[in-house]
Amino acid sequence: ETGVTQSPTHLIKTRGQQVTLRCSSQSGHNTVSWYQQALGQGPQFIFQYYREEENGRGNFPPRFSGLQFPNYSSELNVNALELDDSALYLCASSLYAGIGEQFFGPGTRLTVL
Amino acid sequence: DQQVKQNSPSLSVQEGRISILNCDYTNSMFDYFLWYKKYPAEGPTFLISISSIKDKNEDGRFTVFLNKSAKHLSLHIVPSQPGDSAVYFCAARRGGTSGSARQLTFGSGTQLTVLP
Repeated sequence: ETGVTQSPTHLIKTRGQQVTLRCSSQSGHNTVSWYQQALGQGPQFIFQYYREEENGRGNFPPRFSGLQFPNYSSELNVNALELDDSALYLCASSLYAGIGEQFFGPGTRLTVL
Repeated sequence: DQQVKQNSPSLSVQEGRISILNCDYTNSMFDYFLWYKKYPAEGPTFLISISSIKDKNEDGRFTVFLNKSAKHLSLHIVPSQPGDSAVYFCAARRGGTSGSARQLTFGSGTQLTVLP
């Protein structure tokens, strides 16, 4: 069974640029959620994708957007990067129908200069 | 507005003793609670969970207690081992099936250090 993988591991961007982060869900999981974890904080929900559609969104501006593909992998896109976007971005996969737990990938560390 | 709070940023215990990590929540719509642990450079790993219809759930050395009236839960680790040293996050989820309902709301974490 393959776990959740994310790429890249680390990324450095400058303010105003755009970034795309990628996530492959755990085998058999059809739902992907994205979280932002700032230093010293717990993860904060950005949005969730199920069957290639956004299925819930946290308190993040529209410049945070995403995609889910037929194989359930997902992308997180952030436009017009700001310094406060510097954080660890976590992807989690789960089975939508179940009450099951979310399984997290190792994260992508984004630094905005 | 922090709906899930972990008021102790850090906790140190001796190997073999009990570790008790605490978590408080404010949203009465939460009906499922989870604990995750996180090692540096890794994503959070699911540890144990509890439904709001229960007041205790046990899995090996880990036990979670839920006090709904106090909106408080705790994680007990007995006996504590040096490998348990990690950041522990409490998380909560509302009832319902929409994506917004199924999102996890996390506390800010407690760094547990188990001293040999």
